[in-house]
Amino acid sequence: GALVYQYPRRTICKSGTSMRMECQAVGFQATSVAWYRQSPQKTFELIALSTVNSAIKYEQNFTQEKFPISHPNLSFSSMTVLNAYLEDRGLYLCGARGGHTEVFFGKGTRLTVV
Amino acid sequence: DAKTTQPDSMESTEGETVHLPCSHATISGNEYIYWYRQVPLQGPEYVTHGLQQNTTNSMAFLAIASDRKSSTLILPHVSLRDAAVYHCILRPQGTGSKLSFGKGAKLTVSP
Repeated sequence: GALVYQYPRRTICKSGTSMRMECQAVGFQATSVAWYRQSPQKTFELIALSTVNSAIKYEQNFTQEKFPISHPNLSFSSMTVLNAYLEDRGLYLCGARGGHTEVFFGKGTRLTVV
Repeated sequence: DAKTTQPDSMESTEGETVHLPCSHATISGNEYIYWYRQVPLQGPEYVTHGLQQNTTNSMAFLAIASDRKSSTLILPHVSLRDAAVYHCILRPQGTGSKLSFGKGAKLTVSP
């Protein structure tokens, strides 16, 4: 079956430091990967959408300078949160899609900033 | 973005059949109706999707109104494991893995 793994599952970083999170697609080719953040208030925000052979498209309020994303092949994507501050805390989700019509999600990386 | 409207919460008892409504009055012709559910500390889990016809799978039955302006996710014989926040989402064709989540509807299941 199609699965998406995210790691680390949870991480704590000091304010002003950076952390990298990874997303691995298993059982399908992830031609499209979207990164989301779910805040402590439970709202979802789309950060960016990465599609193979296309430029990564960032949503308003999110930039490549703050959230650089790499999507080097059809099974892997990573995103870094640079200079993390309190407002960056939350559950970061990776949603990947290949030839299916549904998007498969990982269990998320929970970021705590202290 | 196209919007959906769901109740904030619904309550049920184990063994009941639950009907989760979703209104999407401004749906476009190329938009699919997707349902995902999420339990605490986990990523969203795909439940089902449809375009025009009713669909069924091992998890749920999706009833889509003939005008497509509303849909109902039907969960037969719910168990405690079905307790989750259920998201009704519209996804246009060709948008890859981009989904616009709202707050969803929190389903509580009592023993």
